Amino acid sequence: QVQLVQSGAEVKKPGASVKLSCKASGYTFTSHTMHWVRQAPGHRLEWMGWINAGNGNTKYSQKFQGRVIITRDTSARTAYMELSSLRSEDTAVYYCAKDPGYCSSSTCLNRFDPWGQGTLVTVSS
Amino acid sequence: DIQLTQSPSSLSASVGDRVTITCRVSQGISSYLNWYRQKPGKVPKLLIYSASNLQSGVPSRFSGSGSGTDFTLTISSLQPGDFASYYCQQSHSAPPTFGQGTKVEVK
Repeated sequence: QVQLVQSGAEVKKPGASVKLSCKASGYTFTSHTMHWVRQAPGHRLEWMGWINAGNGNTKYSQKFQGRVIITRDTSARTAYMELSSLRSEDTAVYYCAKDPGYCSSSTCLNRFDPWGQGTLVTVSS
Repeated sequence: DIQLTQSPSSLSASVGDRVTITCRVSQGISSYLNWYRQKPGKVPKLLIYSASNLQSGVPSRFSGSGSGTDFTLTISSLQPGDFASYYCQQSHSAPPTFGQGTKVEVK
């Protein structure tokens, strides 16, 4: 079955960067898009961006543009999300989630199933 | 960005109750609306996609309806595992956005 396994919890100081991983199994990794979504305490779920695992193309939310980089390693079947210039408001659980399709710059199903187990990132001085 | 507003934000119900949650969208999105359930401490799970399509493996007590700007998630007979938070999400335009959530609690 499709499974997404994320890396462990992180504690970072303001201004630092964090890089999270999401290892996929149970499907053809390069045939799908992977999204990153976060859930901060008291806030609604927030989409951050996606990567096409096949060609490496990415699309980011304008809110995170310039601070987020999503990459992938096809041989490791793993997607990565790096967020820089961390601030306290970035304290959240970060999820990867598989798209049922393959996104282009103009079309994307933008549907999330399944999700990884989540990684808690705490930003504190 | 497209805004989604769910109502109610929370509700109290009993096992066996029929529960309805509404999602209102700030602009027309045809049927590009998905619903998720998130049990306490767990990961969101896709229930309904494209407004009314039941995701594979999801029990038939869940149903969705609506198009344009107004959508509904209905649970026909609430089960113990359904006490959770529910989120709508639009997939019409980038960036995909979510509602604020509806928490279904035990009465």
